[in-house]
Order: sequence, then structure tokens, then C-alpha cells
Amino acid sequence: GIQVEQSPPDLILQEGANSTLRCNFSDSVNNLQWFHQNPWGQLINLFYIPSGTKQNGRLSATTVATERYSLLYISSSQTTDSGVYFCAVAPYGNNRLAFGKGNQVVVIP
Amino acid sequence: NAGVMQNPRHLVRRRGQEARLRCSPMKGHSHVYWYRQLPEEGLKFMVYLQKENIIDESGMPKERFSAEFPKEGPSILRIQQVVRGDSAAYFCASSLEQGQSSGNTIYFGEGSWLTVV
Repeated sequence: GIQVEQSPPDLILQEGANSTLRCNFSDSVNNLQWFHQNPWGQLINLFYIPSGTKQNGRLSATTVATERYSLLYISSSQTTDSGVYFCAVAPYGNNRLAFGKGNQVVVIP
Repeated sequence: NAGVMQNPRHLVRRRGQEARLRCSPMKGHSHVYWYRQLPEEGLKFMVYLQKENIIDESGMPKERFSAEFPKEGPSILRIQQVVRGDSAAYFCASSLEQGQSSGNTIYFGEGSWLTVV
């Protein structure tokens, strides 16, 4: 099946800092989504972005489908940004999302 | 604007008992998915259903696990004769459609945490 690799696995940020999370995937995709799992376990949908660039407040994402990677940018990080960020992809022909192992982000005040 | 609703949020079962997890998709969504998250891991696909049909159950263990999405009512994930290794968070998700559009976005519920003692 399709492989998803996320980097870095762990990241500690000072409040106010910017960061970039990366997701590499091994095949063409029909669906790519970024999620934030907060410390309470809730999985929040951030972006549906199989290609192109989107922005939502302090977060933005870019997917370069031809090169099989996606980036999630967090600007002016806040403590509420702490948690695990998951990239998930689905190949053409099915809607089964394959998840990466996540980026564990801790934002310290 | 209710999202994907799951219950119970937390469930404790003794080994050998049955666990039933329920999921109501977002309004208007007819595609339902179940995923399992083991401790310190990402989510793994289990099963994909549409109303009254199992479309893809390739991620579901062959024994003790079953899922349904009846014409009326929520989707149910059923685990019979639970064992300690079934302890995990079970997430339900739904989407409006399957295809190349923003309607393909998959929305997740808050999860059901199963603990087997």
C-alpha cells in the first residue's frame, strides 16, 4: 500500500515561532488531508489539499503532487497548537486514508 | 452543524465481553469509515461502508470484528469476545462523496476509547 512519511517526528517550539512540517508519500493520490490531534485525542480536520496551496489563519499548506510531498506551515505558534499533526492520503481508486506516524509538536510559553 | 457523532466516548470491558461502538455521520453523508488508533501510533483503516453495504473491509480483523450501517440509525462497530489487544481509540469518519472534489473531504468524530481489563 501507499507509504506516508512525516518529518520531523518531534518538535519543540517557543511560543511565537514558525515551523514547517513535511509529509512525503509514495504514490499518486486522490486525497490528502492534514489533521491536528489535540491532547484530548480529538482529531480536527485542518486541510483537504491533494494539490495546491491553502491558508486558514495562521496555518497554511502546500501540496506538490508531482513531487509527492506536502508541507504544513504553522506561523506565530501558540500553546494551543500543541498536539500531533497527521498527514493522511488516499490513492486513486479508493477512499482509504493511509496515515503517517505524525509530527508531535509541543509549544512552550 | 453537528459533526460526526460517536458514542460512547469511553468504554471499559472485561476480557470476553462484547463492545459496541456507534457512529452517526454528518448530515447528508452516506459514506462511513472506521479507523483504529493504537497507543502512540497513527490511525489504521478498518472498514468503509455505505448505507446497508460494506464496500471495503480489508482492514478489519477476520474474526470477532463486524460493522454495519443500516438503512435507519447509526453505524455500529461490534467487537466480540474482546481481548486486551483490542484496547485502542476507534474513530468513525464520514464523507459526502468519493471522488476528486472537496466533497471527498473525510471528517472524523471525536473517537471512542475502548479499554479492556
